[in-house]
Amino acid sequence: GAVVSQHPSRVICKSGTSVKIECRSLDFQATTMFWYRQFPKQSLMLMATSNEGSKATYEQGVEKDKFLINHASLTLSTLTVTSAHPEDSSFYICSAFGQDSNQPQHFGDGTRLSIL
Amino acid sequence: GENVEQHPSTLSVQEGDSAVIKCTYSDSASNYFPWYKQELGKGPQLIIDIRSNVGEKKDQRIAVTLNKTAKHFSLHITETQPEDSAVYFCAARKGGGGYQKVTFGIGTKLQVIP
Repeated sequence: GAVVSQHPSRVICKSGTSVKIECRSLDFQATTMFWYRQFPKQSLMLMATSNEGSKATYEQGVEKDKFLINHASLTLSTLTVTSAHPEDSSFYICSAFGQDSNQPQHFGDGTRLSIL
Repeated sequence: GENVEQHPSTLSVQEGDSAVIKCTYSDSASNYFPWYKQELGKGPQLIIDIRSNVGEKKDQRIAVTLNKTAKHFSLHITETQPEDSAVYFCAARKGGGGYQKVTFGIGTKLQVIP
């Protein structure tokens, strides 16, 4: 069964809206979560690393004020796309490590964001 | 940083035939190599992984090989079935402790023709 739950699976909204995506680890505590963005027919691009109780680490070129990440508990990280515009439309995927960094990371099922 | 190259980008095989996907990596510090299968509209699912202290690993119809010297690793799927059709990603992760980020290849779209 799924070990990482991501919600919602699909969002369609108007330009200027802020959208929050949740990523939950099921049955384990995730001290580190990763947020990815995937364009059609392309690979996963890491946006940021989310650490429980501290600020996220953003990859080069990713606007931290645009993509707000909060990892307030060991089982939940959220990504908020602020004032979304059509160019933010994409597939967003989260993944989580457990507390053992030698274990594989598990991915959520992604969120399809469409900004009109 | 790490660079992972993957080929082919698309692969069509007849049902029952084998499929091979190859990847290379650039950073000799990478020591963990997972393979993910992504179906349309879903997140990637881990199908097999290999660590740098192992040369080959097999799980039923799926096998992965690793050549550390050449920095090559490959995925082999035998007796392919239509449900194997998906996009496959190779990836590499460095050691050194902590939660190191994974670098993905560009993906291979596998089509198994019934």
